[in-house]
Amino acid sequence: EVQLLESGGGLVQPGGSLRLSCAASGFTFNSYAMSWVRQAPGKGLEWVSAIVGSGGRTYYADSVKGRFTISRDNSKNTLYLQMNSLRAEDTALYYCAKHDGVSGRSGYPAEYFQHWGQGTLVTVFS
Amino acid sequence: DIQMTQSPSSLSASVGDRVTITCRASQSISNYLNWYQQKPGKAPKLLIYAASSLQSGVPSRFSGSGSGTDFTLTISSLQPEDFASYYCQQSYSTPWTFGQGTKVEIK
Repeated sequence: EVQLLESGGGLVQPGGSLRLSCAASGFTFNSYAMSWVRQAPGKGLEWVSAIVGSGGRTYYADSVKGRFTISRDNSKNTLYLQMNSLRAEDTALYYCAKHDGVSGRSGYPAEYFQHWGQGTLVTVFS
Repeated sequence: DIQMTQSPSSLSASVGDRVTITCRASQSISNYLNWYQQKPGKAPKLLIYAASSLQSGVPSRFSGSGSGTDFTLTISSLQPEDFASYYCQQSYSTPWTFGQGTKVEIK
């Protein structure tokens, strides 16, 4: 059974830093890309960042580029999100999600998030 | 970035109703479109992937259709457990983007 368990959330002042972790189990971790997706209180879902299975390629939303860094330790089956220069608008529940995919019509996989963690709450307050 | 626009933002319906939610992409995304259901306090749940493939374990009253820029999620006969928020998401290109969500409420 796939399990994803986030941790590391908390209260932080604007300009501060936090590192989120996502402990994965139940699948071959290094074979799958992973993402962070966040949800501000009462708002919709926002994709934040993704990393391929090897860790060799990373992707970011414009809203976090240059401030957040995604990484993974495949020996520990753990995904990370280092968040620096935090702003009030970064306040959200942060989910990690496992990528799965099927053949897509444009020659590359049509990816989706079948498995999600329960989320960890980050609150940036002044 | 590809913008995803869902309509309506909310709707009220009765048990047994047929419900349709639409999602429009700002450019063609082929079939790289997924649908999720989210209930309060819970993580999103995958319903439909690649525009029309039903995720294992999801009731057959849910269906997805469309390609290119226009997509539809249909619930053929709304059940009490279907009252929730629904989101579309494109995986055609990064940054991956979600629609703003549709809240389905009890009439």
